[in-house]
Amino acid sequence: EAQVTQNPRYLITVTGKKLTVTCSQNMNHEYMSWYRQDPGLGLRQIYYSMNVEVTDKGDVPEGYKVSRKEKRNFPLILESPSPNQTSLYFCASNSDGRYNEQFFGPGTRLTVL
Amino acid sequence: GNSVTQMEGPVTLSEEAFLTINCTYTATGYPSLFWYVQYPGEGLQLLLKATKADDKGSNKGFEATYRKETTSFHLEKGSVQVSDSAVYFCALGTSYGKLTFGQGTILTVHP
Repeated sequence: EAQVTQNPRYLITVTGKKLTVTCSQNMNHEYMSWYRQDPGLGLRQIYYSMNVEVTDKGDVPEGYKVSRKEKRNFPLILESPSPNQTSLYFCASNSDGRYNEQFFGPGTRLTVL
Repeated sequence: GNSVTQMEGPVTLSEEAFLTINCTYTATGYPSLFWYVQYPGEGLQLLLKATKADDKGSNKGFEATYRKETTSFHLEKGSVQVSDSAVYFCALGTSYGKLTFGQGTILTVHP
């Protein structure tokens, strides 16, 4: 089954404790993205990747890091989480940069205390 | 920069009512336009898309037409069902897989 998986689905942590949210897709897609969803703001892109070892900042990259060492994986790293990073995070992938639909993971709800 | 504006929600309708959710956009170049739907507790799914002016996207009874002259992509359905209750997002895509989303519209349909 074609899918994007994320782990963990739920995470409660404390300020400053480094964490990683994993994302994996099995569709051999070149493009992958991370978004955060906040009430009243829709989804905002954090980082995106056009291929292995090629990443770029989205609209709200501050406080986040990503890496793309393999085509299927695109982890999101919070080196020193803060309460304003409490949000719902989605990973997505697509095979075409512009026209094809993006496939979204189920989301990771992160709470930073 | 690019932006998407959706009508304010939430929207509450009775079953079989007509639905319109307005969406307007600002973009440079010629974006693709999308409607995504998010059911409770789930990720987003593509509902429909249009890649050029005057294209009509349709799926599951929903329709939207890409209007370049009014920079709009309004979502419509002639007869909503309870199962259509969800959050609807309008989005535009320009390059490199980047999507710019509207703020989302919550739709609740009562029997």
